[in-house]
Amino acid sequence: DAGVIQSPRHEVTEMGQEVTLRCKPISGHDYLFWYRQTMMRGLELLIYFNNNVPIDDSGMPEDRFSAKMPNASFSTLKIQPSEPRDSAVYFCASSKQTPYNEQFFGPGTRLTVL
Amino acid sequence: QQPVQSPQAVILREGEDAVINCSSSKALYSVHWYRQKHGEAPVFLMILLKGGEQKGHEKISASFNEKKQQSSLYLTASQLSYSGTYFCGTETGGTSYGKLTFGQGTILTVHP
Repeated sequence: DAGVIQSPRHEVTEMGQEVTLRCKPISGHDYLFWYRQTMMRGLELLIYFNNNVPIDDSGMPEDRFSAKMPNASFSTLKIQPSEPRDSAVYFCASSKQTPYNEQFFGPGTRLTVL
Repeated sequence: QQPVQSPQAVILREGEDAVINCSSSKALYSVHWYRQKHGEAPVFLMILLKGGEQKGHEKISASFNEKKQQSSLYLTASQLSYSGTYFCGTETGGTSYGKLTFGQGTILTVHP
């Protein structure tokens, strides 16, 4: 089975532009997570979904960030407008609802906002 | 609140052992351990549940002290491939079931 798929792998954009990151979780997984990783802040959870429903978005930095999960096999994270401080690696992860619920991470999207 | 990992960095020679610690101020349901190599995604190593159950790679061992909300990862007879950044992720369960909060990471470097 394929792992978590993310696109694009790299994104370079200019300040003020809209950015959309995409994620396809592992088939059959119930949870989907969006993380952001920077040197300064480490690996921080932005939002997570259970069965396509957002459960906790307390990590979303501000209104410029939004996430959707229209179906079990697709999710997007959108930044509008983007700012240089949004530059980071964004990971999507998924897990299956079991007592262990280990998370499987996608390869990440490296975002650079100029 | 983010769990605290110690040490921040470890340097070993092949064959040496290391222990990485993770401490939380909250009551925990589980502790997860992940390893991330430079430029790659974090990879699951082990999970320890409240109550004693655990699941993970055969060559990795860890402990979970539920009373102290602390976990330790034991790396024995280290190999070059063990190099990377190790993260613990803590889960409080309940309404936050499935949600992990990660520590700041421990950088492990193994030299020949």
